[in-house]
Amino acid sequence: EIVLTQSPGTLSLSPGERATLSCRASQSVSSSYLAWYQQKPGQAPRLLIYGASSRATGIPDRFSGSGSGTDFTLTISRLEPEDFAVYYCQQYGSSFPFGGGTKVEIK
Amino acid sequence: EVQLVESGGGLVQPGGSLRLSCAASGFTFSSYSMNWVRQAPGKGLEWVSYISSSSSTIYYADSVKGRFTISRDNAKNSLYLQMNSLRDEDTAVYYCARSGTWPIAPSIDYWGQGTLVTVSS
Repeated sequence: EIVLTQSPGTLSLSPGERATLSCRASQSVSSSYLAWYQQKPGQAPRLLIYGASSRATGIPDRFSGSGSGTDFTLTISRLEPEDFAVYYCQQYGSSFPFGGGTKVEIK
Repeated sequence: EVQLVESGGGLVQPGGSLRLSCAASGFTFSSYSMNWVRQAPGKGLEWVSYISSSSSTIYYADSVKGRFTISRDNAKNSLYLQMNSLRDEDTAVYYCARSGTWPIAPSIDYWGQGTLVTVSS
């Protein structure tokens, strides 16, 4: 079973700064089947990115995804106050594991 | 409007059983694959199970394989999760979640609000 490792565990940044979140897979993953989600406290997750680099409907263009093989990245170009949250990657194969999450907190 | 409403959560003793239900509305349920995802208190997301639109393809996380059974009734627009031999570590909020269609598929595009399952003596 593929294991996804996200780093860092916590990212402390200020509004306006750039955030770079990493998701590393234990074996190669099809780019078509890698997604990123955002979760705020007390809320269900929200799909941000699918197919490693395609933004979901309504997602601002400050969010971008990239990567292939075993290394994937979610970038938030300029953090807005509403972007402070926990972010998860997920891959789809014969199982659909999530990574452990990266918390983006206000510095 | 897409709605996914979970029910059936509650307190159960270790070794016990529970059946979760998810009532879907606002979309053609029979055309979409569905998932169960859980989140233990203060922890991250854990995918539990997936079922295709016709029930022909089913996957489980290793942590629940042999204990949990996912099923659906397209005539009733409902998704189910039968949970047996429950353990303390199964305590979590359980989300019903819809997989999108191409090109989003199989990423999850809609989530319910979750139902809490507590396994404790």
